[in-house]
Amino acid sequence: NAGVMQNPRHLVRRRGQEARLRCSPMKGHSHVYWYRQLPEEGLKFMVYLQKENIIDESGMPKERFSAEFPKEGPSILRIQQVVRGDSAAYFCASSPRGQGRAGELFFGEGSRLTVL
Amino acid sequence: GNSVTQMEGPVTLSEEAFLTINCTYTATGYPSLFWYVQYPGEGLQLLLKATKADDKGSNKGFEATYRKETTSFHLEKGSVQVSDSAVYFCALGATGGGNKLTFGTGTQLKVEL
Repeated sequence: NAGVMQNPRHLVRRRGQEARLRCSPMKGHSHVYWYRQLPEEGLKFMVYLQKENIIDESGMPKERFSAEFPKEGPSILRIQQVVRGDSAAYFCASSPRGQGRAGELFFGEGSRLTVL
Repeated sequence: GNSVTQMEGPVTLSEEAFLTINCTYTATGYPSLFWYVQYPGEGLQLLLKATKADDKGSNKGFEATYRKETTSFHLEKGSVQVSDSAVYFCALGATGGGNKLTFGTGTQLKVEL
């Protein structure tokens, strides 16, 4: 499958635990974006990364959330000490480059986090 | 800031019916506008886009026209098929370009025989 791969597809955590969501971009893509969809809301931008660099994290909550895209391996969205309000679908998207071909993002199927 | 208001679903239509999904936006400047589609069990896919006023985006029989005067980008299709059943998202690009998109809440379309 040459598409954007996200795992796990479904994750259940208890309050206070950590959640790690992984995203492998399409082959040849070096730009990764994370979006969050809360129930009854649209997708909201969280963070934009290139390999080893965070380009724009203006949509990330200030605490408990972090993201990385290492030189090797998938991008990771990490949520520490999860709370019920973190329950959402988290979508990853990739593109071959950032500026220029605006809007042509390729999305994964999403990871659905449920916090009990 | 930028925002997108999308017609609420679910929308249920019979095959070959005419489809309109309304989308209006609020933005500074002249952003690009997009429709994405998410078929069951899959990720979002770009369906069509328009980059300036009066542009018409089209793909797979779907069309949408960038209307600056009404700040709208309504999605239309003349004759829907069962295979069009999906969730449709209207999205607004960042002014000045780039891939930071503002999405609507999505409209679920169900087409029945």
